[in-house]
Amino acid sequence: GESVGLHLPTLSVQEGDNSIINCAYSNSASDYFIWYKQESGKGPQFIIDIRSNMDKRQGQRVTVLLNKTVKHLSLQIAATQPGDSAVYFCAEIVYNNNDMRFGAGTRLTVKP
Amino acid sequence: DTGVSQNPRHKITKRGQNVTFRCDPISEHNRLYWYRQTLGQGPEFLTYFQNEAQLEKSRLLSDRFSAERPKGSFSTLEIQRTEQGDSAMYLCASSLTTSGWYEQFFGPGTRLTVL
Repeated sequence: GESVGLHLPTLSVQEGDNSIINCAYSNSASDYFIWYKQESGKGPQFIIDIRSNMDKRQGQRVTVLLNKTVKHLSLQIAATQPGDSAVYFCAEIVYNNNDMRFGAGTRLTVKP
Repeated sequence: DTGVSQNPRHKITKRGQNVTFRCDPISEHNRLYWYRQTLGQGPEFLTYFQNEAQLEKSRLLSDRFSAERPKGSFSTLEIQRTEQGDSAMYLCASSLTTSGWYEQFFGPGTRLTVL
């Protein structure tokens, strides 16, 4: 399943499928990007980060892709599990401004 | 548990009252951040400290808001003369870094409801 971030804030996938969550960031000068996961009643939890001089970074079951040409960031979750159900936020950071801005988030629901 | 803690977890107050929230960061983290989050939105940056120095404040932080970190450890966020628009989740985060933002560890937040 795939979302388009702010335009489709809810993504529903079957357990075991791959998920793609998208984010269109706003500032071409952003140096660094982070994906956070937020479960109900909890603070955001760091998932994975990527610097602006990279276009891909992989973690455990997660991959972040960065396309600076179109200012687009995506989070791919492999073999999505029920525990992945949460709201996912992308955040962009401009080092010189010490400014971290979050997107509005995408709610991921994993159906068993 | 050695994570970021926040107290209280919930606060209900009447408009016009003052409220104060506390954040205890992860021990030895030199940076501490405050954010505000409304339902369905991402966190919005309010202010941050490096040790006891408050280095940056967002224009969202009106003069009714004040934050302190007197000894470079825990921090307090006070809202004076609360308004209904102040109702939100107030998140605290900390990080161990001397440059850039990198990984911030968030607390569970304090949910404020102003009646």
